[in-house]
Amino acid sequence: SQQGEEDPQALSIQEGENATMNCSYKTSINNLQWYRQNSGRGLVHLILIRSNEREKHSGRLRVTLDTSKKSSSLLITASRAADTASYFCATGPKAAGNKLTFGGGTRVLVKP
Amino acid sequence: NAGVTQTPKFQVLKTGQSMTLQCAQDMNHEYMSWYRQDPGMGLRLIHYSVGAGITDQGEVPNGYNVSRSTTEDFPLRLLSAAPSQTSVYFCASSSTLYEQYFGPGTRLTVT
Repeated sequence: SQQGEEDPQALSIQEGENATMNCSYKTSINNLQWYRQNSGRGLVHLILIRSNEREKHSGRLRVTLDTSKKSSSLLITASRAADTASYFCATGPKAAGNKLTFGGGTRVLVKP
Repeated sequence: NAGVTQTPKFQVLKTGQSMTLQCAQDMNHEYMSWYRQDPGMGLRLIHYSVGAGITDQGEVPNGYNVSRSTTEDFPLRLLSAAPSQTSVYFCASSSTLYEQYFGPGTRLTVT
């Protein structure tokens, strides 16, 4: 079973709009990460947020973490066609050493 | 740095055949992992290693073996291929806990 579940499963927006996707998880975590996967490629690490952090920024990315609700969100501001990809959250559960558990992903289409 | 490399890129096997998927990294990372990704889904951990000579099972280890004789290499062996093992396989490495670098993947089809 997957620790993280993303919502929505798919998202279609116009270039310049913001894209928001959410991730929920089940057990206590050390940290939560977001990855991007372009079609037919490997995953690329975007951002990591630790369990004692509430918000983190990296360029046009903003990640929030609410450990009381066991949820995180990824916001991509001013989206570009190049942001078209699948986005996955991955959690590092406290009881699982350094293993990562991935969610099913959100497919984002940014239309020019 | 080449980063994480995987060979082959594509492979077709018949049921019952065995093969080894190769993974190498040149970043001197301690941690290496193998994942499989099925259509429209996230990644599931098959096996991982926290250093040379140390491996452990992930979520879906059955039908796969690994070994880690050097820091650089982490091959994945399919013992007797089955159609259920048709998937895209990704190798990843990291030097710190959790932040992982992924290879380009091997697309495997078992007929």
